[in-house]
Amino acid sequence: AQSVAQPEDQVNVAEGNPLTVKCTYSVSGNPYLFWYVQYPNRGLQFLLKYITGDNLVKGSYGFEAEFNKSQTSFHLKKPSALVSDSALYFCAVRPLVYNFNKFYFGSGTKLNVKP
Amino acid sequence: NAGVTQTPKFRVLKTGQSMTLLCAQDMNHEYMYWYRQDPGMGLRLIHYSVGEGTTAKGEVPDGYNVSRLKKQNFLLGLESAAPSQTSVYFCASSYPRRLAGKGYEQYFGPGTRLTVT
Repeated sequence: AQSVAQPEDQVNVAEGNPLTVKCTYSVSGNPYLFWYVQYPNRGLQFLLKYITGDNLVKGSYGFEAEFNKSQTSFHLKKPSALVSDSALYFCAVRPLVYNFNKFYFGSGTKLNVKP
Repeated sequence: NAGVTQTPKFRVLKTGQSMTLLCAQDMNHEYMYWYRQDPGMGLRLIHYSVGEGTTAKGEVPDGYNVSRLKKQNFLLGLESAAPSQTSVYFCASSYPRRLAGKGYEQYFGPGTRLTVT
C-alpha cells in the first residue's frame, strides 16, 4: 500500500534557527515528491518538488528539500526560519507508474517559529 | 487566470439536507480531485476524475457523489448530509501523465468549510 509518513505532528523552532520537517514514504517505484504549505483558512500552496536529478531541490520562500532514495525520505529544510513560516506543511507523493493519477499526502506537520 | 475556485466558501446544513459544491479551474487540467481535511488526518481523497465524463472513487467516497460534465468543472454532491461530513473540502487539479512536463504538481482551491448540525 502507498503511504506517506510525517512523524512529527508539530515542530517548534526559534526564529533564525534552521528547521527540518521530516517525510518518509512507501510507494512503488520512484515517485514524484512534493511539499505544500497551508496557512490558516487557506488552500494548499505548492512549495517545491523532486522529479529527477540533483537530490537537493530548492523552492519558494527559501525552502529546500533533500531526497534520499535509500532512506525513502524527502525532508523539508530551511537554513534560517522566519516567524512568517509558521504554518501547516504537507508532504505528498505521486507514483511514477501505477496510480499516476493519484497523490498521497502525509498527515501534516505544524511548524511553529517563535520570535 | 483564477486558477482553482470553489463555491461556496462556507455552508451550514441540517442533517438530511443536500447540497452541491462547485469546483472550477481555468488551467485546462484533465485531472480533478475532491479531498476532505479533518484535524490530524491530513487530506483524504473522496473522488477524482481523469477527464470529462469520467469519475472514480477515492479513499472515502461513501455519502458523496460527483459529476464532471465539463472539463473545467467538478461537482461534489451530498445527497443526505450527516454530522460526520462536517469538514473542510478542497478541490484540486493537475495535468495527466502525457502532459506532465507542463507541471507535475496539484493546484488547490481555497476550500469550503461545511458544518452539518
